[in-house]
Amino acid sequence: QQPVQSPQAVILREGEDAVINCSSSKALYSVHWYRQKHGEAPVFLMILLKGGEQKGHDKISASFNEKKQQSSLYLTASQLSYSGTYFCGTVPTGANSKLTFGKGITLSVRP
Amino acid sequence: GAVVSQHPSWVICKSGTSVKIECRSLDFQATTMFWYRQFPKQSLMLMATSNEGSKATYEQGVEKDKFLINHASLTLSTLTVTSAHPEDSSFYICSAQGRLTPNIQYFGAGTRLSVL
Repeated sequence: QQPVQSPQAVILREGEDAVINCSSSKALYSVHWYRQKHGEAPVFLMILLKGGEQKGHDKISASFNEKKQQSSLYLTASQLSYSGTYFCGTVPTGANSKLTFGKGITLSVRP
Repeated sequence: GAVVSQHPSWVICKSGTSVKIECRSLDFQATTMFWYRQFPKQSLMLMATSNEGSKATYEQGVEKDKFLINHASLTLSTLTVTSAHPEDSSFYICSAQGRLTPNIQYFGAGTRLSVL
């Protein structure tokens, strides 16, 4: 089942913050975040496996709620290089579960 | 680390011909490789999953005779689009997953296929 991402698009100025959400109707085993620039491969950002987990690198962080059905990606003091399409991928709990990607959110950072 | 190379980056072919796309994990052994198809401004749709030395598992609606997948070694998987037609034109992306990070897929740069 495809996760739902919101908002549909984000436009912000350099230095501003943004939050991207990813939600599922069922409990998840894991949430994966990727960023893809036009015509390029998706680049792995991070994976969250534990309910209540928060992790980050530099100024990009993510959280996974206690129920393990919702994750948010936080971009702090955005840079021009943050522009791209952000996909969350989710793996539901259960055997033989597969990674399914959301529709993606286009984020544009302007000078 | 965790570099996946995909070749070619783009290919233009005539209708009816076959096209082979290679996916290589350069610095790790890929126990599992995945093939995705992506339409413009849309999500990644899983086509098939392949494990080294065994037959690929195709997603519902994906023709196995049309999209031949071979995972001959722990570092190489190939996707062959047989008798390509214009509707097969798309962006094809592979990803690889290794033993050290079994939950993470690392993606290749993708192949843009245009069938005339």
